[in-house]
Amino acid sequence: ETGVTQTPRHLVMGMTNKKSLKCEQHLGHNAMYWYKQSAKKPLELMFVYNFKEQTENNSVPSRFSPECPNSSHLFLHLHTLQPEDSALYLCASSQDISGGEQFFGPGTRLTVL
Amino acid sequence: AQSVTQLDSQVPVFEEAPVELRCNYSSSVSVYLFWYVQYPNQGLQLLLKYLSGSTLVKGINGFEAEFNKSQTSFHLRKPSVHISDTAEYFCAVKGGSGGGADGLTFGKGTHLIIQP
Repeated sequence: ETGVTQTPRHLVMGMTNKKSLKCEQHLGHNAMYWYKQSAKKPLELMFVYNFKEQTENNSVPSRFSPECPNSSHLFLHLHTLQPEDSALYLCASSQDISGGEQFFGPGTRLTVL
Repeated sequence: AQSVTQLDSQVPVFEEAPVELRCNYSSSVSVYLFWYVQYPNQGLQLLLKYLSGSTLVKGINGFEAEFNKSQTSFHLRKPSVHISDTAEYFCAVKGGSGGGADGLTFGKGTHLIIQP
């Protein structure tokens, strides 16, 4: 595997389900990010991790719970979601948070019924 | 807080014609600027970036952009487009004042439609 991978690519869940999104980067980076991409809205930054420590939570509801066990892996745990949470969730990584480009994964298309 | 404005939600262009996609950002302090492209059902791919130095930045696939600090703009250009350039283009900024300094702030995107 190369770059940034995300699994699953598609997920359909009910509002009472609990599921997790997984992101893995194979670039040796130290910073990882979750973004939400909804129709007709700009990409929204959700969480930032730098060297496994969360450095930013952009006022995300608690039904989204991130986890970063090491610099290569990032999870987004989902529980009791709402239909308006349906979106494309994108993971990205960068060398660190100080600057430079971010590399994006292909995203997980989430549908909440 | 930082903001990015992409004035055109959709730009139709004939094949082999030139194109310019406009981007303006809000901060007057030092920022990093990026253009990303998103093809259907894919993630974002970096086209080019401005971190410092020359204000004319060249990227992949024949794209270039010019950083204009006085106008707080970073417009993307290509002299001759191809059908394969049909995609969504996002301008993004990092840095400046306000919150969210660790991640990127994106514009709403411009859908480039290439007509044969």
